[in-house]
Amino acid sequence: GAVVSQHPSRVICKSGTSVKIECRSLDFQATTMFWYRQFPKKSLMLMATSNEGSKATYEQGVEKDKFLINHASLTLSTLTVTSAHPEDSSFYICSAYSIGQGMSGNTIYFGEGSWLTVV
Amino acid sequence: AQSVAQPEDQVNVAEGNPLTVKCTYSVSGNPYLFWYVQYPNRGLQFLLKYITGDNLVKGSYGFEAEFNKSQTSFHLKKPSALVSDSALYFCAVRDGDSGGYQKVTFGTGTKLQVIP
Repeated sequence: GAVVSQHPSRVICKSGTSVKIECRSLDFQATTMFWYRQFPKKSLMLMATSNEGSKATYEQGVEKDKFLINHASLTLSTLTVTSAHPEDSSFYICSAYSIGQGMSGNTIYFGEGSWLTVV
Repeated sequence: AQSVAQPEDQVNVAEGNPLTVKCTYSVSGNPYLFWYVQYPNRGLQFLLKYITGDNLVKGSYGFEAEFNKSQTSFHLKKPSALVSDSALYFCAVRDGDSGGYQKVTFGTGTKLQVIP
């Protein structure tokens, strides 16, 4: 199947600073990538849809200025948490949509996730 | 609008017994259906999907799922559970009739616990 790489897997930052998380599709081009936040006891919350070369589409209630998303190429999307606060501490997961036909087509593949801890 | 329901928060099964994780969906067009598995502190791994063709879909790690259009269900099954199958399972759906990309909707997840 297709591979999505997410980096860093764990990051600790001080309150008030910014942190960037990268999501890369390693063996396919992804015009569309997604960013999720996963809360304790499992639920996945879609934060935004990232489209290559255009502005991200944010879900209701997600602060655009706080969670900056950039999808500068067909294989890379980044999420920057700006002015981080302890309540932003969470598990963030990215995914990429693989288009086309075949076994890996029409499927979303996920990165391994990034644990963010804001102290 | 599309939606996915995973009615069970947790499923417990004894090792060696068959397992079923339930999923029902609602979508206006043709359903594209997916199952993902998540191990602790990891991302989601793709297990299998139904796009078209045979209603019984086989996927990774011995899992399979049956698409039932009349019951709008896509239950995940495995004939003999392993302790290592213990994880969180997510069902997802998207509208296959929409052109290009369409948002995928995930269920709330079902925790599978396989008891030795």
